[in-house]
Amino acid sequence: DTGVSQNPRHKITKRGQNVTFRCDPISEHNRLYWYRQTLGQGPEFLTYFQNEAQLEKSRLLSDRFSAERPKGSFSTLEIQRTEQGDSAMYLCASSPGSSNQPQHFGDGTRLSIL
Amino acid sequence: QQQVKQSPQSLIVQKGGISIINCAYENTAFDYFPWYQQFPGKGPALLIAIRPDVSEKKEGRFTISFNKSAKQFSLHIMDSQPGDSATYFCAASKSGGAQKLVFGQGTRLTINP
Repeated sequence: DTGVSQNPRHKITKRGQNVTFRCDPISEHNRLYWYRQTLGQGPEFLTYFQNEAQLEKSRLLSDRFSAERPKGSFSTLEIQRTEQGDSAMYLCASSPGSSNQPQHFGDGTRLSIL
Repeated sequence: QQQVKQSPQSLIVQKGGISIINCAYENTAFDYFPWYQQFPGKGPALLIAIRPDVSEKKEGRFTISFNKSAKQFSLHIMDSQPGDSATYFCAASKSGGAQKLVFGQGTRLTINP
């Protein structure tokens, strides 16, 4: 399968712990996105990478959140000092570099904060 | 600010019927309008998308109708099947920059056999 891959699929952690998620985009897609989806809502944009450069961040992305995409391949999203409100599905999407090409989503990482 | 409003929140349709979901947007700079289908525990999957230079696009049983002057677009699912039961999201984005998607709130569609 050559779709977007996300790991882990589920993460349960205690409040205050740090967590890290990984996204492997579709090969040769140079655009990579992170979104957050809470129960019963549509995904909300968090951040965007063009190759290895992080070019846009949402105001939703507090200073406890950091994302990287070393070498323009896989990406990681880290949340430090997790809070109850961080419980959500974290989705990764990738697309080719051309204008308004379809974004293909992974199946997400579901984060539960105890 | 809610930039894309979707209705209804939930919809029940009989097998073989037509399912219609509507979306309205505010930002006239939006120029790409996709629809995604999401099953429980899965990520959104692209169904069909339209750009504002056409008023309708059809792919199989799925049709997008687009009204630029009203800033509205809708998804029609013809001959709805139980396997179509899922949550559907409309979205919008604009060219240039991040081209990030702005999603509607979703419609939970149930097709009764």
